Amino acid sequence: RKEVEQDPGPFNVPEGATVAFNCTYSNSASQSFFWYRQDCRKEPKLLMSVYSSGNEDGRFTAQLNRASQYISLLIRDSKLSDSATYLCVVTPIYNQGGKLIFGQGTELSVKP
Amino acid sequence: GAGVSQSPSNKVTEKGKDVELRCDPISGHTALYWYRQSLGQGLEFLIYFQGNSAPDKSGLPSDRFSAERTGGSVSTLTIQRTQQEDSAVYLCASSPRPGLAGRTDTQYFGPGTRLTVL
Repeated sequence: RKEVEQDPGPFNVPEGATVAFNCTYSNSASQSFFWYRQDCRKEPKLLMSVYSSGNEDGRFTAQLNRASQYISLLIRDSKLSDSATYLCVVTPIYNQGGKLIFGQGTELSVKP
Repeated sequence: GAGVSQSPSNKVTEKGKDVELRCDPISGHTALYWYRQSLGQGLEFLIYFQGNSAPDKSGLPSDRFSAERTGGSVSTLTIQRTQQEDSAVYLCASSPRPGLAGRTDTQYFGPGTRLTVL
């Protein structure tokens, strides 16, 4: 079983739609959680960190459920520019230098 | 300011040859990471350098892979006797400091080197 699992998609949605991505992780001792965004043939870039209390950044909301080992990302009012692959990322147990464990990524395509 | 840079951007080589990939981290960043992304695969961790500490090599797939970091800055990833399954995008990232208790600093990725082994 992969350490971080995501639905690969693709998710094809119209502009203005709300779309949700889910992710599960297998190591209950995982320390930190993130969503990265990767545009086609580009490097990954941090979209947002994920906290147990939930956090919001504009149209983006991230949630973490440690008991279920589940992470989510909600995008409201989606834009054409949101088209990308969204990577669920965790860091393993404390004090392993912050190396990132990536999910396979979920591809999002927003259509006019 | 300047981000992480990598060279070459593309490398085509023949099976069995050795290749060297270079990474210049952001100035002042003490932590440096190598990852690779194969077609249809997610990004996988390869190796991590932090200051003068021994590197974490736990992600290197075989002993054909090695990396060094000179002077705490530039890093070189070397793949010996390349195989077709080594074809991938090799990404370097740096961060200001290593993961501390309960937090991990943002990792900034370079554009990657696309390696094709024929």
